[in-house]
Amino acid sequence: EAGVTQFPSHSVIEKGQTVTLRCDPISGHDNLYWYRRVMGKEIKFLLHFVKESKQDESGMPNNRFLAERTGGTYSTLKVQPAELEDSGVYFCASSQDPVGVARNEQYFGPGTRLTVT
Amino acid sequence: EDKVVQSPLSLVVHEGDTVTLNCSYEVTNFRSLLWYKQEKKAPTFLFMLTSSGIEKKSGRLSSILDKKELFSILNITATQTGDSAVYLCAVEKNYGQNFVFGPGTRLSVLP
Repeated sequence: EAGVTQFPSHSVIEKGQTVTLRCDPISGHDNLYWYRRVMGKEIKFLLHFVKESKQDESGMPNNRFLAERTGGTYSTLKVQPAELEDSGVYFCASSQDPVGVARNEQYFGPGTRLTVT
Repeated sequence: EDKVVQSPLSLVVHEGDTVTLNCSYEVTNFRSLLWYKQEKKAPTFLFMLTSSGIEKKSGRLSSILDKKELFSILNITATQTGDSAVYLCAVEKNYGQNFVFGPGTRLSVLP
């Protein structure tokens, strides 16, 4: 079974440009999460989709970030315009049940490393 | 193919017990190994290990890496109910894929 995949693995863009990150969750997983790791090791929550609906987007830093999950399959995270502080690793994860539910298993993708220069 | 394996996948203990969680890996271009605790939203960082044989400690938690045998352990002594969570092991790579995550160990600590 294919795991969570993310594209691209690395992206280097200039400040002010636009970047779109893609996440393909495990087939059949309704729950999709975006996280990012910035300046160190902590992973910050961005948002949570259940199918195509945004269940929780409390972690989205500002309106330069736009996440979509049309059709409830893959998701995109667009940063427009990118700023220097947006640099970091963006993770996507998927699960059948929401995090915190018994027997939930959340699967992480390899991350997209974004560098804004 | 890169792989991170964690064992056990699930563990139930009583308060006061000591637990050892295992993480083994087969990953090219190893950079570091990280442990996270996940309860609700984002995983919380615990340790980052890059060198073999150096134990890292934080309160009742400690971890060590063996780069020759390709594994790490996470120890939790005198467990408390608040330790109940999924513990994730992840390997960061220098090239190619950025991270490879293990499936996690679900720890349940009963009062």
